[in-house]
Parts: sequence; structure tokens; C-alpha cells
Amino acid sequence: GQQVQQSPASLVLQEGENAELQCNFSTSLNSMQWFYQRPGGSLVSLFYNPSGTKHSGRLTSTTVIKERRSSLHISSSQTTDSGTYLCALELGDSNYQLIWGSGTKLIIKP
Amino acid sequence: DAGVTQTPRHEVAEKGQTIILKCEPVSGHNDLFWYRQTKIQGLELLSYFRSKSLMEDGGAFKDRFKAEMLNSSFSTLKIQPTEPKDSAVYLCASRDWGGSYEQYFGPGTRLTVL
Repeated sequence: GQQVQQSPASLVLQEGENAELQCNFSTSLNSMQWFYQRPGGSLVSLFYNPSGTKHSGRLTSTTVIKERRSSLHISSSQTTDSGTYLCALELGDSNYQLIWGSGTKLIIKP
Repeated sequence: DAGVTQTPRHEVAEKGQTIILKCEPVSGHNDLFWYRQTKIQGLELLSYFRSKSLMEDGGAFKDRFKAEMLNSSFSTLKIQPTEPKDSAVYLCASRDWGGSYEQYFGPGTRLTVL
């Protein structure tokens, strides 16, 4: 089965609301990396998070290895946050292989 | 600091042509990756270099895809001969192995094969 399951597939929010994106994994990991991608754009790294919680402005990433999950929280969303968010699991028995989530398409309405 | 750069940004090729895509990693990074992204398959790893040595050659992509890294600041991906199913966005990424381990991506090359 799929080693990384990302949810939700899509999310529509009003500006100012908070967003919670989730990735569940079924294999050992070195780390979870979160990316942001605009339509037609490249991938922008948001977090490299092997465990625990990391913050960057309005973004928070939490990886809990025992529960096999990693989350991305966006507080006070803005229309410019719209795009696709991807998680990528770096396999525990590999030092380079990334297993990609299917992505969350986030739309923030004004 | 300059990020990962890729050229060209767009490429249109006829079926059967040879095309070469170029990538310059972040200065000082010792790992370099080539990926292909399509809506159906998502992101697929094509090649992986560590300190210019090819560590992963992409298995199913071996026959028509060849990545090279002649020096630490430049890599190429050759597709020969191109087929319409190769139409995709080709992304190059680099990272500092032993440092932050985070992969940084270039803007990509959008390839259309007619």
C-alpha cells in the first residue's frame, strides 16, 4: 500500500482561517520535508522536520514519529497561501529516496 | 546566494530528437537530483549524484535518459530519442549532504514533445 497518505486532497477556506494539512506514513523515516508549489511553479521547501515542532512565521510543522504522522499548520491564512502543498518522506533505510504525498490543493478565498 | 538554476525554462521537441537540459546546483551543495513531474505520476526520481558520482540512475528511465555531472557546479540531463510521453516538467534539486539535508529545487524545464 501507499507509504505516505496526505490529506485532505483539497481544502477551501476563507482568508483568516487556519489550515491543517496531514501526512501519515507507514514506514520508517529519516525526516519529513514539506513543500509549497504554485500552479506552473517550482517546489519551495517549507520545512525539513525529522521530529518535533518547527516554526516559520505563520507556518508550523509537527512530526510525531511514534504516531507516524506529520502535519503542517497555517495560521491566519492569506490568499497568497493558495497553491499545492506536498509532503515528502525521506526513507529511513535510504539517505536520499523521497516518497511523495499526493498533495493538498489549498484555496484561500478573500 | 543563488538558488538552483535550470535552463531552458521551456523546450519543444519533435519526436525522435535529442534534448539536453541543464542544471546548476546551489554553490557548495554536494548532492544533486533530477526529477520528472507529471500530473498523473507525480514526482519521479530520475538520477541522483553525490559529489559528482552517480548513485541512482533511475531504473526504468535508464534506456533513453542519461544524466551527467562533469563538475560540482553543473549537470545535464540528456533524453535521446524523445517520445511524446516524455512531455513533463523536469526538476533539478540540490542539497548539502552532511549539512541541512533539505532539498532545494530549481524552477524546472517544461518539455513538450510533439
